[in-house]
Amino acid sequence: KAGVTQTPRYLIKTRGQQVTLSCSPISGHRSVSWYQQTPGQGLQFLFEYFSETQRNKGNFPGRFSGRQFSNSRSEMNVSTLELGDSALYLCASSWTQGAGETQYFGPGTRLLVL
Amino acid sequence: AQSVSQHNHHVILSEAASLELGCNYSYGGTVNLFWYVQYPGQHLQLLLKYFSGDPLVKGIKGFEAEFIKSKFSFNLRKPSVQWSDTAEYFCAVYTGKLIFGQGTTLQVKP
Repeated sequence: KAGVTQTPRYLIKTRGQQVTLSCSPISGHRSVSWYQQTPGQGLQFLFEYFSETQRNKGNFPGRFSGRQFSNSRSEMNVSTLELGDSALYLCASSWTQGAGETQYFGPGTRLLVL
Repeated sequence: AQSVSQHNHHVILSEAASLELGCNYSYGGTVNLFWYVQYPGQHLQLLLKYFSGDPLVKGIKGFEAEFIKSKFSFNLRKPSVQWSDTAEYFCAVYTGKLIFGQGTTLQVKP
């Protein structure tokens, strides 16, 4: 069974631009979560989607948004990029949401903001 | 506030040495605990998890972890490390979302 896939794998943008990242979960998984990984802040939760609805949100500004489609694929968008948004963005999927579930991670999209 | 603390930020061991990585969490609800590993150039992979039952859980590649409720700890152990265990290790607790520790970089010298 294919794992979580993320596209693109690498991205370079300039300040002020916006970016959209894509995530395809493991087949059958209906919950998708997004995380930001930086050397300084580590792994931080962005948001979780289940059945096309955002179920949980982390402490990130409104410039960070996401959505989930009926096939469980998810996208996250960052508008008005700042230098500090440079990070590895990880997507994780699980069968459903809630306790007792295991999240499986994709390879990430490495975003560099210049 | 919910948090995870990993005591060791950088650990250097020789092959065949024993490993123990400390993890303490702060969360009052039912705990789901995880250890993930990130090998160089690879994505986060699940090493092992604890949901309930036997507090000693075994994972892949000879790793195990012990959940001690009274100490809010979930320490990772391996009796004999190999060079291929060089990686970054993350402890995490599920609280409605995964909260990760800062990670421990393990370097194993051949």
